Amino acid sequence: GENVEQHPSTLSVQEGDSAVIKCTYSDSASNYFPWYKQELGKGPQLIIDIRSNVGEKKDQRIAVTLNKTAKHFSLHITETQPEDSAVYFCAAPGSSNTGKLIFGQGTTLQVKP
Amino acid sequence: EAGVVQSPRYKIIEKKQPVAFWCNPISGHNTLYWYRQNLGQGPELLIRYENEEAVDDSQLPKDRFSAERLKGVDSTLKIQPAELGDSAVYLCASSLGNKNTEAFFGQGTRLTVV
Repeated sequence: GENVEQHPSTLSVQEGDSAVIKCTYSDSASNYFPWYKQELGKGPQLIIDIRSNVGEKKDQRIAVTLNKTAKHFSLHITETQPEDSAVYFCAAPGSSNTGKLIFGQGTTLQVKP
Repeated sequence: EAGVVQSPRYKIIEKKQPVAFWCNPISGHNTLYWYRQNLGQGPELLIRYENEEAVDDSQLPKDRFSAERLKGVDSTLKIQPAELGDSAVYLCASSLGNKNTEAFFGQGTRLTVV
């Protein structure tokens, strides 16, 4: 069935430290993995995504890694800043890659100044 | 370029009353999604449109929920009658294509049923 598991549910780090959020998915045919950041009172905002033909993608302080064999992918934020504090969601396509996204349960990241 | 626009931002209604949400997707985006986000959880798909056609409505509670996307642009989502358990944030998103392309979300409508 379709399932995306996300860990941890909450994460608190000191400013300047790194943060890592991990997700696993169930459908081995999935080939697109976006990450969204959601601030209070706002809709989810796409921050980075990765497709199954690469193992890692980086955009400034944010990187995503993908292990298709193990069916898991991770978000890495380096040099965290207070404005990184938000809820982060991973997602993966529903069955048959139809365009439907299955979201993880979310990770509340708190960056302490 | 304007993003996905939703209205209203907030809505408080009594149970058994009807309610409607409106969404204007990003210009040129053929695919439109309605998601529901319960407190502390990730969004869950209710319905997906390709132009005017609803191609995935398997998660839409059809006894009380309905949606339409006339002319393949704007969309409305309606609940009638609303129940207490319908309290949630209703998110609209749009994307260029129907398979694994970036989906952009609106700010959502926070519905409270009392």
